[in-house]
Amino acid sequence: DQQVKQNSPSLSVQEGRISILNCDYTNSMFDYFLWYKKYPAEGPTFLISISSIKDKNEDGRFTVFLNKSAKHLSLHIVPSQPGDSAVYFCAASGGGADGLTFGKGTHLIIQP
Amino acid sequence: EAGVAQSPRYKIIEKRQSVAFWCNPISGHATLYWYQQILGQGPKLLIQFQNNGVVDDSQLPKDRFSAERLKGVDSTLKIQPAKLEDSAVYLCASSTFTAGEETQYFGPGTRLLVL
Repeated sequence: DQQVKQNSPSLSVQEGRISILNCDYTNSMFDYFLWYKKYPAEGPTFLISISSIKDKNEDGRFTVFLNKSAKHLSLHIVPSQPGDSAVYFCAASGGGADGLTFGKGTHLIIQP
Repeated sequence: EAGVAQSPRYKIIEKRQSVAFWCNPISGHATLYWYQQILGQGPKLLIQFQNNGVVDDSQLPKDRFSAERLKGVDSTLKIQPAKLEDSAVYLCASSTFTAGEETQYFGPGTRLLVL
């Protein structure tokens, strides 16, 4: 049973537009959420995180929104750039020093 | 600051052989994780260490997988004997806390192919 779901295996967005990646979770014990970006043949790179006490966190072009009642979070990238083309993983933990539960990832393709 | 180091980067073995992977975490990071990422899936936690002690190994197939972190720094993950379904990328991560929140940093991974 997948506790973290990324239902879009791939997403294509035009350069300069907004990219929105979605993630749903089922475990109510999750209280900390992270997004990782992964290029081929490299390990995942930390992008941005959000604690369950917040509903928004922003870092430059990246914003993560959390809707606890819907158990849904999203990552917004604006404006999208060619270097943003990668696989994006949503991950969740129960807080503290805890192993992460990952979604299957969404392959974002930024078209010129 | 140097990142998480892993070796080897690639390994090809035949089923029933043994294999070992090595990880050197970021300096000062007490917590170390091993994940298995099968093609098309997200990483799945295998084992978590806090210094040289095991915190969580509930998802480690202990009949064939073992891991150690003897001096609380480097760690090795071993598979003996390997099966075809062990073909995956094995990722090591170490973590740090900022304002009470943990962030895990991943190494480049070891890509294992079992034939």
